[in-house]
Amino acid sequence: DIQMTQSPSSLSASVGDRVTITCRASQSISSYLNWYQQKPGKAPELLIYAASSLQSGVPSRFSGSGSGTDFTLTISSLRPEDFATFYCQQSYSTPYTFGQGTRLEIK
Amino acid sequence: QLQLQESGPGLEKPSETLSLTCTVSGGSISSSSYNWGWIRQPPGRGLEWIGDIYYSGSTYYNPSLKSRVTISVDTSKNQFSLKLSSVTAADTAVYYCARRVRGVNDAFDIWGQGTMVTVSS
Repeated sequence: DIQMTQSPSSLSASVGDRVTITCRASQSISSYLNWYQQKPGKAPELLIYAASSLQSGVPSRFSGSGSGTDFTLTISSLRPEDFATFYCQQSYSTPYTFGQGTRLEIK
Repeated sequence: QLQLQESGPGLEKPSETLSLTCTVSGGSISSSSYNWGWIRQPPGRGLEWIGDIYYSGSTYYNPSLKSRVTISVDTSKNQFSLKLSSVTAADTAVYYCARRVRGVNDAFDIWGQGTMVTVSS
């Protein structure tokens, strides 16, 4: 199985901050990397697919980059509604696997 | 707007078989563009892909669960289902159904709200 490791596991930031979350794959996955946001008690929502493509309806302050084994999710200017847990997921091969999550909290 | 809704018992006894159904509304399950999957999340923990199915019946399972999992589809009812046998407390989780987009990075773009299943005697 491909292991996905996110860093940091948790992060405190303020409204307006620029935030970057990193995801590393245990082997090359090309651009088969997706990002999800999950708010408490809710299902995950797709933010970014194919490493850098913004899902329809997702604000442009979210962006993704990377290929191979190293990927980043960036939020350019945090808004109050962005505080949540973020997960990366590889879709290069089955079993599809997720990172352990990054919890973004308000400072 | 396509929606997914999970249904099934919220409590199962150890060694029993967990059975859940996902009803797809606002669109057809018989689309060549999508697979239909199950993902679970134990309380306070991360996400685990269980498996998914194409409308023709082709299935893909997580090897860690494959011996206990069956996913099936009923196109006449626009539903797909999950059966997980011989459950233990480790199978306690929120179970989500989700749509996987084929060929566009296989991302899960639409999710159900999730249903909590507790395994306890």
